[in-house]
Amino acid sequence: EAGVTQFPSHSVIEKGQTVTLRCDPISGHDNLYWYRRVMGKEIKFLLHFVKESKQDESGMPNNRFLAERTGGTYSTLKVQPAELEDSGVYFCASSQEEVTASSYNSPLHFGNGTRLTVT
Amino acid sequence: LAKTTQPISMDSYEGQEVNITCSHNNIATNDYITWYQQFPSQGPRFIIQGYKTKVTNEVASLFIPADRKSSTLSLPRVSLSDTAVYYCLVVYSGYALNFGKGTSLLVTP
Repeated sequence: EAGVTQFPSHSVIEKGQTVTLRCDPISGHDNLYWYRRVMGKEIKFLLHFVKESKQDESGMPNNRFLAERTGGTYSTLKVQPAELEDSGVYFCASSQEEVTASSYNSPLHFGNGTRLTVT
Repeated sequence: LAKTTQPISMDSYEGQEVNITCSHNNIATNDYITWYQQFPSQGPRFIIQGYKTKVTNEVASLFIPADRKSSTLSLPRVSLSDTAVYYCLVVYSGYALNFGKGTSLLVTP
């Protein structure tokens, strides 16, 4: 099966510009997540989609970040306008629908990330 | 959210067994313990998950004592390709919110 794919693998933009990252989850995975690691920091959760609905967006840093998942398939993460501190690696992950909270939790399948450099 | 503590780094020779211990003192009843592996320029990759006692798969074993306040990932006979960062996560609702710093494992000949 094809894994989670992310595009582009690397993006270099100037401060103030707009960038859109794309994530294609594994087919059939209703749950889609965005994470990021900024330079020298830990991987942090940004938000979680269940199909096309935002289940949890508590990790989104500010309103310059907009995530969408129209149709419940691929997702985009737009940063507008980009700032220097947005530089980092943005990971997307997907998982099958959870069985129950008391049983096995579906593992996350990660893409290889998009490295964003804002200059 | 349960906080995890694990070694920052470990070194091992090829062929040895590597055990990485993770502390999670405030783990909740419904939390699972999950380990991920990450190579440079790649996303984290799921290794193993458990709730209590011992879990084994083709890659690793996971030992969880009765109090569940810690867990140990065991990698049998590591090879150079096992050099990676290993993350211990405590997961409840299917997605981890805190990856922590992980343990950087270096395997040398």
